[in-house]
Parts: sequence; structure tokens; C-alpha cells
Amino acid sequence: GAVVSQHPSRVICKSGTSVKIECRSLDFQATTMFWYRQFPKKSLMLMATSNEGSKATYEQGVEKDKFLINHASLTLSTLTVTSAHPEDSSFYICSASPRDRGPGANVLTFGAGSRLTVL
Amino acid sequence: AQSVTQLGSHVSVSEGALVLLRCNYSSSVPPYLFWYVQYPNQGLQLLLKYTSAATLVKGINGFEAEFKKSETSFHLTKPSAHMSDAAEYFCAVRDYGGSQGNLIFGKGTKLSVKP
Repeated sequence: GAVVSQHPSRVICKSGTSVKIECRSLDFQATTMFWYRQFPKKSLMLMATSNEGSKATYEQGVEKDKFLINHASLTLSTLTVTSAHPEDSSFYICSASPRDRGPGANVLTFGAGSRLTVL
Repeated sequence: AQSVTQLGSHVSVSEGALVLLRCNYSSSVPPYLFWYVQYPNQGLQLLLKYTSAATLVKGINGFEAEFKKSETSFHLTKPSAHMSDAAEYFCAVRDYGGSQGNLIFGKGTKLSVKP
């Protein structure tokens, strides 16, 4: 089955530093990946849609200069939290849809998530 | 626009008892509906999905859900709870208005199973 790997699973960093989170589709190609943020006791909030070879589409209220997304290949998307602050601490989850089935195929595989703690 | 409402942020059942997690949706088009489970500090795992075929959908781990258009509901059930079912459960609907392929999630229901 489709597998999405997310790394790192946990990261602790100092305020002001940047952190990169990777999302890889291991056994399929994904033209579209989604990045979510999950607050404690809250649902998942879509941050942005990552499209291979083009700029990401950000949801309203999400700072694109703060959360840099790069989808350089059909199997890798990265989320970089720049100049992180304590309020950026959260659980970040990515998901991907197989290329050959398209984003409308109702098949989304989720990564295991990355817990970011900014001190 | 699509939306999902999960009634009850926390449900507690005894081991062996019926599990019922409620989900109501709002959609201007025929919806595609999903249930996901999330274990602590992990990502989401698909339990089951409704994509306009059979209204009673069977998923993994003994879970099933029934799509009821008249009630705009997609409640998740399991006849007999197991300790390993303790987790957070999310109902979701496919987003037609925003990013294609994205899902809109409910706020989640935490299931606790007592011995």
C-alpha cells in the first residue's frame, strides 16, 4: 500500500532558528501533497497544498514567508518553519495522493506527523 | 461549502460495549466521507470511506459506518470495543470548494475504553 514517510518525528529547536520537515512518498509518485497543522485538542487545519514543480497554494491566514514549502520532486515535499517562535510549536502532518490516481481519487495517505517544540 | 460536525469531543465506553461516534456533514453536493483514527503522536490512518457506493461501509478493525442522506449523518460504530481502540477519531468530508483532493476534518472525538 501507499506509504508516506515524515521526518523528523520530533524536533526541538531554539527560538529564531529554522526547522525543515520532510514528507516523502515511498512507493508512489505524488504531484500533490498537503500540509496540515494540528493544535492540541483541535482538528487538522490545512496550511497549504504543495504542487510538484510549482509554487504551493497557501490557505488564508497562513504566512507563506514563515512556512516555506518546496515540492522539488514527485516523491518529496518539504516544509521549513523559518525563524521559529514558541507559538509555532505544534504537530505538523503531511498527506499525499498517488499521481496516477489524481487528487480527485479520494485516496490520501498521511505521514506519521512531526512534533515541533520551539523553546 | 462542506463541513463536518462531530458530536461529543470525548466518548468513554467499557471494553466489550458498543462504540458509537457521531458525525454529521453539510454538503451542497453528494459528499465523499471518511473516518480516520489517530493514535497518540502519530499520523492519521484511514478506517473507512464512503464514495457513493453502498451506504453501509465496512472498514478495518471491525468498524463500520452508515451513510444516511436523510439525516446527513455518517456515524461510526463497532459492536464490541477493545482496549486497543482507544484513540482519537476524525470524520472528514472531501473539500470541493478549496484544494482539490483535500479533506475537511471534524474536531475529533477521543475514545476511551475502560477495562
